[in-house]
Amino acid sequence: NAGVTQTPKFRVLKTGQSMTLLCAQDMNHEYMYWYRQDPGMGLRLIHYSVGEGTTAKGEVPDGYNVSRLKKQNFLLGLESAAPSQTSVYFCATLGGVPSSGELFFGEGSRLTVL
Amino acid sequence: GENVEQHPSTLSVQEGDSAVIKCTYSDSASNYFPWYKQELGKRPQLIIDIRSNVGEKKDQRIAVTLNKTAKHFSLHITETQPEDSAVYFCAASVMNRDDKIIFGKGTRLHILP
Repeated sequence: NAGVTQTPKFRVLKTGQSMTLLCAQDMNHEYMYWYRQDPGMGLRLIHYSVGEGTTAKGEVPDGYNVSRLKKQNFLLGLESAAPSQTSVYFCATLGGVPSSGELFFGEGSRLTVL
Repeated sequence: GENVEQHPSTLSVQEGDSAVIKCTYSDSASNYFPWYKQELGKRPQLIIDIRSNVGEKKDQRIAVTLNKTAKHFSLHITETQPEDSAVYFCAASVMNRDDKIIFGKGTRLHILP
């Protein structure tokens, strides 16, 4: 039982390059979230999904796209990376209704944009 | 949308003393308030949570209080120990509406020997 797995764990990009972060879960949770964590800024919500085929914007969605084609996977894409997107990215899942409310986080993915 | 403010950003307390971290939220519809602990290099993990129909909740050395009128909630850690050193995040959410979970900016807690 792996829980929430993020791929890759580390990546270095050049400005303008694109990449996709994959979040995979085996917990059968309905809700999935992408956060970014920057020093002094806490965890900021980028996008989230309340079920397969659905996505919604969070607090800082600009420059990112997401897809939830399968219940177990939530992809975060950067079409044209910028240095401001250097961050640690966390994926998290939440059980469906009735939910305990607890978020289960992946280990994080550290992205550096040069 | 929801906005969560957290204070202080850094807190140092002597081992054995108590620590208090405070948060305010803006959306009066918020009904779920979790607290997460993040140790260095690790992922955040839930330590305690409270729902809007409860004013206080305790779990051993940690407790959370909620004042819905003031839109304010706090984390209390008593008899602090070295392993309590970490970053703590509060969050707020409207469960069963949009389930958008918004975090505060975090408090780095140092336990001094």
